[in-house]
This record gives sequence, C-alpha cells and structure tokens, in this order.
Amino acid sequence: GQQLNQSPQSMFIQEGEDVSMNCTSSSIFNTWLWYKQDPGEGPVLLIALYKAGELTSNGRLTAQFGITRKDSFLNISASIPSDVGIYFCAGSNFGNEKLTFGTGTRLTIIP
Amino acid sequence: DTEVTQTPKHLVMGMTNKKSLKCEQHMGHRAMYWYKQKAKKPPELMFVYSYEKLSINESVPSRFSPECPNSSLLNLHLHALQPEDSALYLCASSQDGRAPLHFGNGTRLTVT
Repeated sequence: GQQLNQSPQSMFIQEGEDVSMNCTSSSIFNTWLWYKQDPGEGPVLLIALYKAGELTSNGRLTAQFGITRKDSFLNISASIPSDVGIYFCAGSNFGNEKLTFGTGTRLTIIP
Repeated sequence: DTEVTQTPKHLVMGMTNKKSLKCEQHMGHRAMYWYKQKAKKPPELMFVYSYEKLSINESVPSRFSPECPNSSLLNLHLHALQPEDSALYLCASSQDGRAPLHFGNGTRLTVT
C-alpha cells in the first residue's frame, strides 16, 4: 500500500542534541499523527495535528502540520536516552478509516 | 500503560495449529483494527471493524479470520499459517473510525 516518505531514515545523535525529522506525501491529508515505537511494543501516540499550519507541543516534542497539507515535521529538543526508538508519521483523511504510515525514523543516542 | 490490551504477548505455533489472538479496549471506542508489522517496517492494515461490523478487509488471506464479539473485544483466529506470517500483530482502536488510533503492545507471533 501507499507509504509516506519519512526522513531521515536513521539518526545518530548525542544526548542533549535537538532532533528534526519530516514526512512528505504526494497527496493531501486532513490529519497528521506522530507515533513512537519502542522494541517489542506498540506505537504510542505522541502528537495529533488536525489543521494546516497547526503547531502543537507535547513537552520537549513539537510537531507542525504543513501549510500545503502534504507534509509534517517533528522536533525533539534536548534529547534524552528514553527518546531512543522508531518514530512514525501517519496521515489520514476524514471519513477514511485507514492510516497511511511513514517509513519510520530510527533514533539512536550515542554515549 | 496502554489502554488497548492484547493477549498473548508471545505465541509460537506450528503450521497445522489453530490459535487466536485477543484484544480488548475499555475506552468506549467504536472502531477496532488489526495490523501486521514486520521487523523494521511500518504497520500494515489488515482489518477494520466499525460498530462491530467488518468495514475493511485489506485482501487478507482466509487463514486469518477476524471476529468482533462486542464493541470492546476483537479476536483474530489463525489457522494453517505459513512461516512468512511470523510478525508482530497489533490491535488498535479509535473513537469513531477516525484518527487518532490507539495501539496495544502487540502479539509477537512465530510460525514454525
């Protein structure tokens, strides 16, 4: 099925650094979601965005719904060890029960 | 803690076995989903139940049979699986069939 293009594919950073990742689509979405998945667990919802241009924060995480409705960005400030994991973006449209997932960004913190 | 509970956490089954995966949510959500996830890949949709009726089947082989006994429960019955069916099976729910979805921690299935 369709997938969103998520970049970068992987990131290796030091603790305390800021992180930026993005997700792009060839089609428009009405809703953008960001999930984090730890090994052996299910994806956990981080942030949900419902309006083009919307900027939403959840602690050290900030996500934006792109104005074109074809992209979204996630920033993590001052990374800590528990930020390690795989981050997935996902898009959906009203009246459609399907989520389209991004390919994922694997975040690793270098000691 | 996740509000979507999946059992068992791990399952090993032979190709001739019949087993079932179970999912439960008590958030009052009216849509429930089964996803399959292979290593290092995003989740792939299998089935959607909306108001206890099957609304989406993503051309899943008949050896996977979903069941929604009530609005809080979702089962996935497995029969005659293949080794390539080994994966993490995730259950999710949403309030009324629209995002966001809330996921359980999955069942790690190994078919031998």
